[in-house]
Order: sequence, then C-alpha cells, then structure tokens
Amino acid sequence: GESVGLHLPTLSVQEGDNSIINCAYSNSASDYFIWYKQESGKGPQFIIDIRSNMDKRQGQRVTVLLNKTVKHLSLQIAATQPGDSAVYFCAENSNTGNQFYFGTGTSLTVIP
Amino acid sequence: EAQVTQNPRYLITVTGKKLTVTCSQNMNHEYMSWYRQDPGLGLRQIYYSMNVEVTDKGDVPEGYKVSRKEKRNFPLILESPSPNQTSLYFCASGRVSYEQYFGPGTRLTVT
Repeated sequence: GESVGLHLPTLSVQEGDNSIINCAYSNSASDYFIWYKQESGKGPQFIIDIRSNMDKRQGQRVTVLLNKTVKHLSLQIAATQPGDSAVYFCAENSNTGNQFYFGTGTSLTVIP
Repeated sequence: EAQVTQNPRYLITVTGKKLTVTCSQNMNHEYMSWYRQDPGLGLRQIYYSMNVEVTDKGDVPEGYKVSRKEKRNFPLILESPSPNQTSLYFCASGRVSYEQYFGPGTRLTVT
C-alpha cells in the first residue's frame, strides 16, 4: 500500500516566525498532493494543494513545495500566528486518483 | 450554509450490535468518502463513492459497508461492530476527489 509519513510529529515555533512542516511520500505515480489543517475537535480543513507538474504553489501566508526527485513535500507558513496551532496532514492520491492517503500528522504549537 | 453533517456525533455501543452513522451534504457533491482516524495512524480511507450507486473500497474496508442511493447521503454501516472499530470517523464530500470538505466527526466506542 501507500505510505505517507512526516519527519517530525511535533513542532513548536514562536509567534511571528516561519514554520516548515515536512512530508515524505512513496508513490511516484501520485499526481495530486494536499495539505490539511485539523484543529482540536474539528474535521480536517483544506489548506493548499499542488499538482505533480508543479514545484511550488503559494497561497495566503502558506507555500507548498514539491520535490519529486526525493518524494518530499513541505508546507511553509509565514509569520505563524496562534490560530495556526493545529495538526497538519499531507495527503497524496492513488494511481487511480480517487483514493487518498494521509500522513500521520504534525502537531504545530505556536508560542505567544 | 454549505456543510457536511454526521449523526450521531458520539456513540457508545456494544460488540455485535449493528449501527449506522449517517452522512449528508448539501453541496451537490458527487464524491463522498469515509475515513477513520486513530492516534499515530492518521486518517485512513474506508470507502469512497464517485457518484450515486458507485462505491469503492479504500484502505481499510473490512467490517464496514456503505451505500450511495442518493447523491447527498452516504451512510456508514457496521453490521457487527467490534472493539477494534472504536475510532473517530469522518465523512467528506467534494465536487471531485481532491476537493474534500470534512464533516465534524463521529466518535464511536465499541465495548
């Protein structure tokens, strides 16, 4: 089966600093990658996505980088705020494109 | 308000007693899916549906059934729940598979 993993299970950053959350994936045939944010007691919420034909995509305060050579995905959050404290998941799609595999998550804590 | 709703939100039941967790979306989405979330394992896909009457197994379908008779509803059925199905369950829907909106979750405990 697929495996999507994260390098660090927890991350603490000072408010205002930039955060980087990493993710490794195993299926070189995956063509779609998504980052989700899950706050305590809630369901995952879409943050940003990237297709395999791209290396970088930017959103509001977030940037996703994709390195297909080493099958690595990262989420960068600029000027991290207390509201960014949550668990972040990366997900990749299957060969068929319809099934998604999630990583185990990284817990981000923002220190005021 | 566009949303995915799940019922019940919390459920404690006993081994072997059939149960159904309902999922409904009001966004006319074609894609719907069920996940379970366990500590240290992240979210794992149970079943998904590309459209009405079309369902497919995800990563962990054993012990679960689903049906998609209408576009808006995608119930998850546990015919004979066991303690290893104690988990947090999420339903999701999307216009396509890579635009999934998640429900609030159902916390199930099987004793």
